[in-house]
Amino acid sequence: QKEVEQNSGPLSVPEGAIASLNCTYSDRGSQSFFWYRQYSGKSPELIMSIYSNGDKEDGRFTAQLNKASQYVSLLIRDSQPSDSATYLCAGGPGGGNKLTFGTGTQLKVEL
Amino acid sequence: NAGVMQNPRHLVRRRGQEARLRCSPMKGHSHVYWYRQLPEEGLKFMVYLQKENIIDESGMPKERFSAEFPKEGPSILRIQQVVRGDSAAYFCASSSDREQAFFGQGTRLTVV
Repeated sequence: QKEVEQNSGPLSVPEGAIASLNCTYSDRGSQSFFWYRQYSGKSPELIMSIYSNGDKEDGRFTAQLNKASQYVSLLIRDSQPSDSATYLCAGGPGGGNKLTFGTGTQLKVEL
Repeated sequence: NAGVMQNPRHLVRRRGQEARLRCSPMKGHSHVYWYRQLPEEGLKFMVYLQKENIIDESGMPKERFSAEFPKEGPSILRIQQVVRGDSAAYFCASSSDREQAFFGQGTRLTVV
């Protein structure tokens, strides 16, 4: 069974700190990986996509992919209270189709 | 450019009734995906459609559930004879060829 595993949290970090979210996956056929942010009662919002090994930076967000270790991470620099949400890691065979989601990590950024 | 549009946002059905959930993809997107999110659980893939074709329905229950994406009009997820266990948030996502998927606001189905 193809799985994406995340620590459910909550992960609490002080405002201004770096939040580190981690994810592992079991399907070596996965080629594309995504981080979505979901506020309570809302829809998932795409934060980052990553397709090749290494780091990808976009503003305060950095996604990291290590296919050998089957590991994906998301770093959020200068965390803000508005970053408090559940972060969903997802993997798929390519593009956006048939994503397998983790159960999400709840992030709390405290004042 | 409007995003993925889902309606209704909230739907209440009595046990045994039918539920119809609609999804209009983003302009230029021809791929539609339906996911279900049960309370306190992650998103689970249900079905992947392109215009007039079901590409992958491996995540959809064999009975009572069906999906379509006609040549004209929105994609429809249909649940017949709903039961309380069908209560969930149903999300539609769309993408262009091999690009990331964007999600609609979801339909929250409550079966009473």
